[in-house]
Amino acid sequence: TQLLEQSPQFLSIQEGENLTVYCNSSSVFSSLQWYRQEPGEGPVLLVTVVTGGEVKKLKRLTFQFGDARKDSSLHITAAQPGDTGLYLCAGHLTAGNKLTFGGGTRVLVKP
Amino acid sequence: NAGVTQTPKFQVLKTGQSMTLQCAQDMNHNSMYWYRQDPGMGLRLIYYSASEGTTDKGEVPNGYNVSRLNKREFSLRLESAAPSQTSVYFCASSLNRDTYEQYFGPGTRLTVT
Repeated sequence: TQLLEQSPQFLSIQEGENLTVYCNSSSVFSSLQWYRQEPGEGPVLLVTVVTGGEVKKLKRLTFQFGDARKDSSLHITAAQPGDTGLYLCAGHLTAGNKLTFGGGTRVLVKP
Repeated sequence: NAGVTQTPKFQVLKTGQSMTLQCAQDMNHNSMYWYRQDPGMGLRLIYYSASEGTTDKGEVPNGYNVSRLNKREFSLRLESAAPSQTSVYFCASSLNRDTYEQYFGPGTRLTVT
């Protein structure tokens, strides 16, 4: 089993719908990151959360770090085809520790 | 700035052949990383270099070697390729080991037959 479990593995929705992706662990993380990866490219960092309960917004994307720093969620409001991609959560168990990735959630937004 | 560059973009090897994947960054970063990405498994760390002159094993180092040639360049070598090494390989860099953000290259898609 992976240290960070993402769900669902695949999500297909219509343009304009909302979606939520989850990232869960039994371990406490000092920080969590969300990346988006498009086909043929490397992951690109969207956000880093470091404080339990923290909520960050990036246009239509809302990121939340759980109070106990063991889980995170990514919510997209009114999804657009440009949101299509592989969403990866990743975290540091302790500062300076290696970055651990979840298995990813593939999102498809149909026009 | 090109960011992180990787060569080649695609490679097909026969079992037992060797090859080196090249990575360079122009952001003056101290730390560099090699990952492999397999379906459903996210990215797994193969080796990393916290600073010039140092390298350390990651989660899946077996069958690989690395060289931190200078501050800019970090190469990954497969001495005797195996089908299990078929994957997409990503190089990344960060300002230092404690920095949250890692910048990734475009990847090398390797197939071992």
